[in-house]
Amino acid sequence: AQSVTQLGSHVSVSEGALVLLRCNYSSSVPPYLFWYVQYPNQGLQLLLKYTSAATLVKGINGFEAEFKKSETSFHLTKPSAHMSDAAEYFCAVSGDTNAGKSTFGDGTTLTVKP
Amino acid sequence: EAGVTQFPSHSVIEKGQTVTLRCDPISGHDNLYWYRRVMGKEIKFLLHFVKESKQDESGMPNNRFLAERTGGTYSTLKVQPAELEDSGVYFCASSQDSGRASDEQYFGPGTRLTVT
Repeated sequence: AQSVTQLGSHVSVSEGALVLLRCNYSSSVPPYLFWYVQYPNQGLQLLLKYTSAATLVKGINGFEAEFKKSETSFHLTKPSAHMSDAAEYFCAVSGDTNAGKSTFGDGTTLTVKP
Repeated sequence: EAGVTQFPSHSVIEKGQTVTLRCDPISGHDNLYWYRRVMGKEIKFLLHFVKESKQDESGMPNNRFLAERTGGTYSTLKVQPAELEDSGVYFCASSQDSGRASDEQYFGPGTRLTVT
């Protein structure tokens, strides 16, 4: 079985500050990990994914995430927050049972203060 | 290239009524997934089509839900009869490749269903 825990349903940062969104996963097989972002009234958009090629994954909009097997974590970071980063972020894992099926966390809403 | 589209964007129905949600995947995508998010909780998998066949329907909550994908193009998800707990946002996603765990899934904007 696979599962995802996102720590913090709401995160607030100031514009220009570091963004850190936490994700821990559980999987009985080597996982594939994803971060998605959802802006209001839009679908989920893939930010980045880990597929075992490299532990540090760079995505769109300046985001990156590091896969740490020992910590079963895949935290999302961005050095400097922008107002346009305000959205809801979802971490997801796949690889167990049905290969295409993704298991999502509860989501983290990021607020960026001016 | 058009993305994944879903119709309607919102639906408000009374308990006991029937609702049909539609998803049009990206053209050429064989894999189609339905997910649901209830009450701001996690997005939960409902089922996975490969072309017109159901690959995995382990997430379907009960037999009031019926998904179809005739011809392997668009898909419908019917809820009959609807219950209050069916309220939520229903997402559709599609992917191009073989339904592998590493494939990127492209999501539609979702249908917000409210059952009163």
